[in-house]
Amino acid sequence: DGGITQSPKYLFRKEGQNVTLSCEQNLNHDAMYWYRQDPGQGLRLIYYSQIVNDFQKGDIAEGYSVSREKKESFPLTVTSAQKNPTAFYLCASKKGEVLQEQFFGPGTRLTVL
Amino acid sequence: ILNVEQSPQSLHVQEGDSTNFTCSFPSSNFYALHWYRWETAKSPEALFVMTLNGDEKKKGRISATLNTKEGYSYLYIKGSQPEDSATYLCASPRGGYNKLIFGAGTRLAVHP
Repeated sequence: DGGITQSPKYLFRKEGQNVTLSCEQNLNHDAMYWYRQDPGQGLRLIYYSQIVNDFQKGDIAEGYSVSREKKESFPLTVTSAQKNPTAFYLCASKKGEVLQEQFFGPGTRLTVL
Repeated sequence: ILNVEQSPQSLHVQEGDSTNFTCSFPSSNFYALHWYRWETAKSPEALFVMTLNGDEKKKGRISATLNTKEGYSYLYIKGSQPEDSATYLCASPRGGYNKLIFGAGTRLAVHP
């Protein structure tokens, strides 16, 4: 089945450690996105990529890094510079055409102890 | 309005009730308005993408209207069922059609 997978579902890390969240899609979508959700807030855009080997900062990119070496994969690294990393992280993708909806993965809940 | 705002934040209705909630968005440089449904323990799923002022879209018992001049969209659910319980998100592109700005969502609980 075509879709977006994120792993792991739950992730625990000690403060000061970098951690990488996985996002893979087999929908042949050009664009991929990382969002963060905190209680009572909407999804906030961290980074997005419209094509391989290119990505742009979203609204809350500080303390995060990404790569887009393959069309199918868009991993997100939460670095030790991110001050409040505990959150729910969603990955999404969409076709390149204008006005297409985004398809979301199941999310990863990161808890930093 | 500078951001995408949704109201109410949460809503509790009885099975069979009809309900509606609102999404407000910046009316300048409007591209589109997206509605998503996010059920607990599942991924958000697209309901509608709306672009034209006065547009109305329908999927089963759920429908949505759009007013781009005043910057709002309504989502209606007719005869709510427990399976409609979810958080309903709206989003509008800003700074290019690839960047969606999401509202905080309306959490709907339908009680049997």
